[in-house]
Amino acid sequence: GAVVSQHPSWVICKSGTSVKIECRSLDFQATTMFWYRQFPKQSLMLMATSNEGSKATYEQGVEKDKFLINHASLTLSTLTVTSAHPEDSSFYICSARGASGSPTDTQYFGPGTRLTVL
Amino acid sequence: GQNIDQPTEMTATEGAIVQINCTYQTSGFNGLFWYQQHAGEAPTFLSYNVLDGLEEKGRFSSFLSRSKGYSYLLLKELQMKDSASYLCAMVNSGTYKYIFGTGTRLKVLA
Repeated sequence: GAVVSQHPSWVICKSGTSVKIECRSLDFQATTMFWYRQFPKQSLMLMATSNEGSKATYEQGVEKDKFLINHASLTLSTLTVTSAHPEDSSFYICSARGASGSPTDTQYFGPGTRLTVL
Repeated sequence: GQNIDQPTEMTATEGAIVQINCTYQTSGFNGLFWYQQHAGEAPTFLSYNVLDGLEEKGRFSSFLSRSKGYSYLLLKELQMKDSASYLCAMVNSGTYKYIFGTGTRLKVLA
């Protein structure tokens, strides 16, 4: 159980285009999903916290107008990188936390999306 | 402030035991997770400690001392497939967000 999928697994795009990444919890309902970014040989940096049916909460320094997050259902959250630039190239990972109610419930991670902006 | 620290790299031999340390500082603590991450893949859950002591799961064990702000992950009977990065992440008691360390890249040699 506790499987999280991401799509696409990798994407290459031109500078200035927008890219949408989907995160799905396959066998559980996720009231909260998290979006992380990871640069090579660095740790995961939390970008935003997404709760189903409400606006995402962004971490300091993350532009909400550039990284649009939608959490329309208990099993799906999307991250759209708008007007992507080469510096946005990174590994984007989502995680999902179950609906049991405890904030310290384990986060289960998706397989990640490798974004390369040319 | 918040800070979490772990060694950058470690090397060990197949069949051996290795201990990966993690130290942290935070104003509010609500548990510590260990994850394994192979290159280019997402982290996978290994263990969670919220109380002091040792949690054992097969070849992997994790220890926590809240008074010392210290945890370690112990890997026994190392296998080549254990070559990966090991991330410790503390849970902030105010926000319940995970704060990740930079990860320890473990190389297991034959």
